Amino acid sequence: GAVVSQHPSRVICKSGTSVKIECRSLDFQATTMFWYRQFPKQSLMLMATSNEGSKATYEQGVEKDKFLINHASLTLSTLTVTSAHPEDSSFYICTATGTVYGYTFGSGTRLTVV
Amino acid sequence: AQTVTQSQPEMSVQEAETVTLSCTYDTSESDYYLFWYKQPPSRQMILVIRQEAYKQQNATENRFSVNFQKAAKSFSLKISDSQLGDAAMYFCAYRSAKGAQKLVFGQGTRLTINP
Repeated sequence: GAVVSQHPSRVICKSGTSVKIECRSLDFQATTMFWYRQFPKQSLMLMATSNEGSKATYEQGVEKDKFLINHASLTLSTLTVTSAHPEDSSFYICTATGTVYGYTFGSGTRLTVV
Repeated sequence: AQTVTQSQPEMSVQEAETVTLSCTYDTSESDYYLFWYKQPPSRQMILVIRQEAYKQQNATENRFSVNFQKAAKSFSLKISDSQLGDAAMYFCAYRSAKGAQKLVFGQGTRLTINP
């Protein structure tokens, strides 16, 4: 089946630094990538939608300058958390469309900002 | 905007018994898709079952079945013969058939299986 590889699985960074999370579709072309954020014991909140070669569409309330999304190719989308602060600590999940399976989720990234 | 509500934060069931997880949604659209996803402790999202709104027949996948009531905007998940491996967070999700394919998730229900 389709696979989305998400890296890193866990990252700890210092406050004020930037962190990049990658989601790569291994055996299909991800026409659209969705980025979600999940707080502990809570639901998945959509942050943004990205399509290859175009600017991401951000959900209301999501700071586009803080959460930079790039979808430069049909197999790679990245989320960069800029100038990270402790409140950005969360679990980030990507999911891609582009196959008959519907949505293919990455395994998630646990970000801890100290 | 569409919303999805799961009113049961936690549920528990004895192994081998049947449990039903509730989900309601709000939409003005007539064509859409509904999903149940399982998130085990590994946090990998796993598709359990999917329902197209235009289909009257309820979807089934082995021990998992849904009760889709379109007029009531209700989409419950029934798990039969519960197994220890079914323990997880379960999320109900909605997707419009038009426009953006984004999934809107409910708050989730944590299911515990008692041996």
